[in-house]
Amino acid sequence: AQSVTQLDSQVPVFEEAPVELRCNYSSSVSVYLFWYVQYPNQGLQLLLKYLSGSTLVKGINGFEAEFNKSQTSFHLRKPSVHISDTAEYFCAVSRNTGGFKTIFGAGTRLFVKA
Amino acid sequence: NAGVTQTPKFQVLKTGQSMTLQCAQDMNHNSMYWYRQDPGMGLRLIYYSASEGTTDKGEVPNGYNVSRLNKREFSLRLESAAPSQTSVYFCASSGLPQVSYEQYFGPGTRLTVT
Repeated sequence: AQSVTQLDSQVPVFEEAPVELRCNYSSSVSVYLFWYVQYPNQGLQLLLKYLSGSTLVKGINGFEAEFNKSQTSFHLRKPSVHISDTAEYFCAVSRNTGGFKTIFGAGTRLFVKA
Repeated sequence: NAGVTQTPKFQVLKTGQSMTLQCAQDMNHNSMYWYRQDPGMGLRLIYYSASEGTTDKGEVPNGYNVSRLNKREFSLRLESAAPSQTSVYFCASSGLPQVSYEQYFGPGTRLTVT
């Protein structure tokens, strides 16, 4: 069975500081990995995804994530955050061997302070 | 394109009442999903429909039923609402597996059961 663990429920950070949101997953098969962002009172939208190939994935709004197969991690990073990055971030995993289910982590609330 | 639309946006029910949440997508996606979002628990899959004419249970199906009315529409029904069903409900859709399982979300329905 697959599972996703987001290691921090809340991450406060000052504006223009770097940030890393941590995600670990477990799966017995190969997977696709995703980060989604949810702004207040909105649905989720895709930030970036790893399917195959380069382990460093770049997404929208200056975010990037690195797939580490040996550590089963997919941490999200941004070198300099803005107030507008305040949101909840979800890591998610889907099998790539068929099937349609995606498992989501519990979410990390990023709070950017001025 | 409107993407994924959901109605209603807000609903208050009394225990025992029934209601149907509506979802439609205009992206010609095969697969559709219903999730509930509760604080600290991320998104949990209620039901999904891999393609028109099929539906399957997800992680938390008890107390819910679904109908895949056609390729565009996927509704979620609560037959006898309970306070434990107070949550935010999201509908999502995705293309064929070749499109890598990325999901597109609606804006959500905030349901309160008193």
